[in-house]
Formats: sequence, C-alpha cells, structure tokens
Amino acid sequence: KNQVEQSPQSLIILEGKNCTLQCNYTVSPFSNLRWYKQDTGRGPVSLTIMTFSENTKSNGRYTATLDADTKQSSLHITASQLSDSASYICVVVSGAGSYQLTFGKGTKLSVIP
Amino acid sequence: NAGVTQTPKFQVLKTGQSMTLQCAQDMNHEYMSWYRQDPGMGLRLIHYSVGAGITDQGEVPNGYNVSRSTTEDFPLRLLSAAPSQTSVYFCASSYSSGRTSEQFFGPGTRLTVL
Repeated sequence: KNQVEQSPQSLIILEGKNCTLQCNYTVSPFSNLRWYKQDTGRGPVSLTIMTFSENTKSNGRYTATLDADTKQSSLHITASQLSDSASYICVVVSGAGSYQLTFGKGTKLSVIP
Repeated sequence: NAGVTQTPKFQVLKTGQSMTLQCAQDMNHEYMSWYRQDPGMGLRLIHYSVGAGITDQGEVPNGYNVSRSTTEDFPLRLLSAAPSQTSVYFCASSYSSGRTSEQFFGPGTRLTVL
C-alpha cells in the first residue's frame, strides 16, 4: 500500500531560526513529490514539485531535497517568519496507472516571536 | 482569475439531509477532484473528473455523487448526510491529469452533520 510518513507531527521554533521537515514514502513506482503549505482555514498551496531526476529545488526561503534511492525528502525553511506558521504537507504521485496522489498527514509548524 | 472557488464556506446539516457543495474554476482546467480532510489524516480523494462528462470514484466515494456537465463546474452531492461525513471538503483542479500537472486547491467547505 502506498504510504507517506511525515515527521515531526508538530514543531515550534523561534522567529528567524531554520528548521527541516522530513518525509518518507513507500509509493512505487514513483513519479514526483510535492510539498504544500496549508494555512489554517485555507486550502493547500503548492511550494515545489520534484521529479525523479531533481534532488534539490528552491522556492524563496523554502528548499526541498529528494533522495529517490532512500525514498526520503526534506523541506528546509531558512530564517523563519511568523507567516511560515502553517501545516506542511508532503504528497507523492504514483508513476503508474491513473493520476494518483498519496498525501502525508502534515507537519504543523508554529513560529513564535 | 478567481482560481478555484467553493461555496458555501460553512454548512451545518442534520442527519439524513441532502445538499450540494459547489466548486468552480476559471482556469480552463480539465482535471478536477474532491477531497476530504479529517483531523489526523491526510487528504483523501472522493471523486475526480478528467473532463466534462467524465467522472470516476476515488478512495472514499460512498455517500457522495458528482457530475461534470461543464469544464468549469464540479459539484459534490451528499445524498443523505451522516455524522461520519463531518469534515472539511476541498475541491482542486489541474490543467491535465498528467503526473507533473500542478494542482490548485479551493478554500474549502467546513461541513458539520448533527
């Protein structure tokens, strides 16, 4: 069964600090991996999409890495801001059959002053 | 562009009532889908459509119906609401069902069934 596991479940950091969120998956065959940011009471918004051949991708202060061999991804947030407080969801797209997305449960990040 | 819009934002139903959650997109996207998000769980796919007139079931379709008469609209119908359908519902769209096609999500509908 395809699965996406995220850690930690929740994280509290001070404003200005860096943090790294983890994502492990067992989706096979693999097509691409996505990170979404979901603010409280809003829909998810795409941060990055990485295919098999990409091992690093940046979007401003967000940098995602992908190791397709170990089936792991991380999302690094640099110089955190209060507006980074949100849930971050890892999503893996299967490379077989119909367009199928497997969602992680998310990491809830709180940035405090 | 308004993107993906959903109405209503909040709804309270009694067990057994029916209702329709509305979803519309103005990006001319072919692929649209409905998800539900429950505490402690990842988003789960209810139904999806790869184009007008074509729909299919996702992971958790029971108790829900969909239709796609136009490219823009993809309503989700609850036939006879049950407390287990209390959830936040998200509609999403993408240009195609190609595997690298980016998905855009609506703001969600928070549904409570008493």
